[in-house]
Amino acid sequence: GAVVSQHPSWVICKSGTSVKIECRSLDFQATTMFWYRQFPKQSLMLMATSNEGSKATYEQGVEKDKFLINHASLTLSTLTVTSAHPEDSSFYICSAQTSGETQYFGPGTRLLVL
Amino acid sequence: GENVEQHPSTLSVQEGDSAVIKCTYSDSASNYFPWYKQELGKRPQLIIDIRSNVGEKKDQRIAVTLNKTAKHFSLHITETQPEDSAVYFCAASIRTGGFKTIFGAGTRLFVKA
Repeated sequence: GAVVSQHPSWVICKSGTSVKIECRSLDFQATTMFWYRQFPKQSLMLMATSNEGSKATYEQGVEKDKFLINHASLTLSTLTVTSAHPEDSSFYICSAQTSGETQYFGPGTRLLVL
Repeated sequence: GENVEQHPSTLSVQEGDSAVIKCTYSDSASNYFPWYKQELGKRPQLIIDIRSNVGEKKDQRIAVTLNKTAKHFSLHITETQPEDSAVYFCAASIRTGGFKTIFGAGTRLFVKA
């Protein structure tokens, strides 16, 4: 149990385009989902926290208009990178949480912006 | 906000030896401390966790200790094996509605056969 999927697993796009990443909890309902960004050989940096039906809470330094987060249901959250640029290239990982503390991570999405 | 520091950044041990990774946190309100193992290009996997009302927890070759007063917690891996080679992250969580988790910078563990 407690499986989280992400789609796509990797994406290559041109600079200026928008990219949507989906995060789904497959066998449980997630009250909270988190979005992280991980650069090569670095730690997971929390970007935002999203709760179903409410606006996401963004961490300091993360532009909410650039990284749009929608948490439409208890099993789906989406992250849209708008007007992507090469510096947005990274590994984006989501995680899902129920009422307890444990986070279940998705497999990640590798984004390359040319 | 919470800040988690992790040491060392790289650790190389001989197979069979023990490995210790140490972390400190800044916010005394943090009350949940998970440890994750991440292999190259894969998702972080929870390997052990400890809550603030417990000082030590063990699961086979892995143990975690917590000193709330000093705001220190450590991961101990005994009888290391080559398959233990990975990046290990400590984290500290605070309940704010859900649980907000801040990760340490990670420790790259190499276990030499």
